[in-house]
Amino acid sequence: DAKTTQPPSMDCAEGRAANLPCNHSTISGNEYVYWYRQIHSQGPQYIIHGLKNNETNEMASLIITEDRKSSTLILPHATLRDTAVYYCIVRVNSNYQLIWGAGTKLIIKP
Amino acid sequence: DAGVTQSPTHLIKTRGQQVTLRCSPKSGHDTVSWYQQALGQGPQFIFQYYEEEERQRGNFPDRFSGHQFPNYSSELNVNALLLGDSALYLCASSLAGGGSINYGYTFGSGTRLTVV
Repeated sequence: DAKTTQPPSMDCAEGRAANLPCNHSTISGNEYVYWYRQIHSQGPQYIIHGLKNNETNEMASLIITEDRKSSTLILPHATLRDTAVYYCIVRVNSNYQLIWGAGTKLIIKP
Repeated sequence: DAGVTQSPTHLIKTRGQQVTLRCSPKSGHDTVSWYQQALGQGPQFIFQYYEEEERQRGNFPDRFSGHQFPNYSSELNVNALLLGDSALYLCASSLAGGGSINYGYTFGSGTRLTVV
């Protein structure tokens, strides 16, 4: 079973920051937090990952709480093309599989 | 730089038949994982191939088998198809098996299998 809990859906206005929460209260010390997204009818796309420090790349920022029990993915200026299902996954590096939950369906509205 | 290529994109099979799906990994990647994604759900891990061997397997019956070739491409075979096998089958490639911790897995667009 997935070790993460996400809201099933969220809306965000175009141009605004989209903040997607994820709870992973049973995360272990050696488990990373990964975020992927899946646009309709496409394969999942890697966004970002982190262990305990906040991370930023060209796509998004990842904020992990100090106790590592939750995290937030931030899309700073959402566009219509960011409409997708976003998955939060925790994974230890030695385990090759990704265990997926149902994700959050993010709808960007004009 | 070609990403992950899967074929065919769509397939319709009859219950009881066998099917083979194909995957070419991203250039430079040597490991292939297969996932099954039912409608409205997250992907489920089937297995991973590295160095032409199945390295890890998810909770799928023996009807699901695979193969990896010396050029790192891979096939997923499903025997005795059931209606419940209808799903999107995703292939993901990575480097050195673990899914490079810095870049994650690269997924193909999948093969949509419909069993009737």
